[in-house]
This record gives sequence, structure tokens and C-alpha cells, in this order.
Amino acid sequence: EPEVTQTPSHQVTQMGQEVILRCVPISNHLYFYWYRQILGQKVEFLVSFYNNEISEKSEIFDDQFSVERPDGSNFTLKIRSTKLEDSAMYFCASADPPPYQETQYFGPGTRLLVL
Amino acid sequence: DQQVKQNSPSLSVQEGRISILNCDYTNSMFDYFLWYKKYPAEGPTFLISISSIKDKNEDGRFTVFLNKSAKHLSLHIVPSQPGDSAVYFCAASAGYGGATNKLIFGTGTLLAVQP
Repeated sequence: EPEVTQTPSHQVTQMGQEVILRCVPISNHLYFYWYRQILGQKVEFLVSFYNNEISEKSEIFDDQFSVERPDGSNFTLKIRSTKLEDSAMYFCASADPPPYQETQYFGPGTRLLVL
Repeated sequence: DQQVKQNSPSLSVQEGRISILNCDYTNSMFDYFLWYKKYPAEGPTFLISISSIKDKNEDGRFTVFLNKSAKHLSLHIVPSQPGDSAVYFCAASAGYGGATNKLIFGTGTLLAVQP
């Protein structure tokens, strides 16, 4: 069964460093998302991406964050200068092509720890 | 911002009995609802969904009920199995058929199914 994959599974970085989290969505999907879950809190929406552009972003997704689909398979989240409060589990998700795009399928996540 | 609430942080049921997980929402613009199951250190796994034009959707042991007037939905698992033990998240989105469909998650309910 097709699944969303994410790398790395764990990332430890120093405050102020750049990190890139990588995702390979399900191959025929057209809608891509990033969410995060800070320990003990809800899963929160960060950004949605469709047709090679951001369709919506949350207040969390400030200028330090960017997303890119550099080729036909990868979808990346970059944090330019990490802060302690960026420590969280980051989940990538993708959704079916229309008319079933309402259901999102999640990857296993990347646990980011900023020291 | 508690648009989606799961008021029971945990639930314990006996194997073979029914598990009922509840979710309330406040935003009347939500028109699509999903349930996800999550194990520790893994991504959310899609279980079942329902659109606002329906009041019930069934898939095997899982049934979701939607009461729009009460802004309430529930997930029934019958019969419950020990492998169902996990955290269950309710999620909602607005703009059915649109490109964004960001999901708003509840806080989750930890289900423990006792053998």
C-alpha cells in the first residue's frame, strides 16, 4: 500500500542552524501539507501546498519557514534559523486527487530537537 | 482556540465490548470530519471520515456518527480489540472540495482495550 515517507526520523540541531525536513508524498497525490505536534499539545497545521505554490499557511509559518517541491517526488520543509520552540514532531501529509482530496495521509514524522 | 474538542483524555474498555469516542466542534463552517489513530512516535493513521451531508458512515468495525445540530461526532468501535489501543484524534476541515482543506485536530483520546 502506498505511503508517505519522511526523512530523517530524528534530527538534533543547535539553535540558529538551518534544517531541512524531507517528505516523499504518495505518488499520485496533488495536495501536500506540513503539520507539527509539540510534545503534549495538539497536531497543528503549518502549511498547505498545491500546484507548486503555497495555498494556505498558519501564523506559525513565519519567514523562517519555507517549503519546496524540488522535483516530482520530494516535498521539503526548511527552517532557516531554528529556535528552541521549534522542537516538535513534524508530519508531512498528502491528499488524493479530486474529488477525494479531503482525506489526508500522514507520514511517520520527523522528531526535531533544537538545543 | 478550541474549535475541535475531545473532552475525554482517556477511555478504558474490555475486549469485545463497544468503544465510543466523542468529539465536539464549534465552527459551523466545518463540513468534513475525520478520525485518525496514532501510536507513539508514529504519524496519524486515517481510519474513517464523514461529510456533513451524511449522519453516519460505516467501515467494518468502525462507525462514525455526526449530529450537526449538536455539533457532535462520535466514533464507535465494535467489537474492540487490544490492537485498537492507541490515541484517537478527531479532525475537521472546512471548504469541502476546496484545495486547502487544512485539518483542525482535537487533543486526542487514549483508548486502552483490556484483554
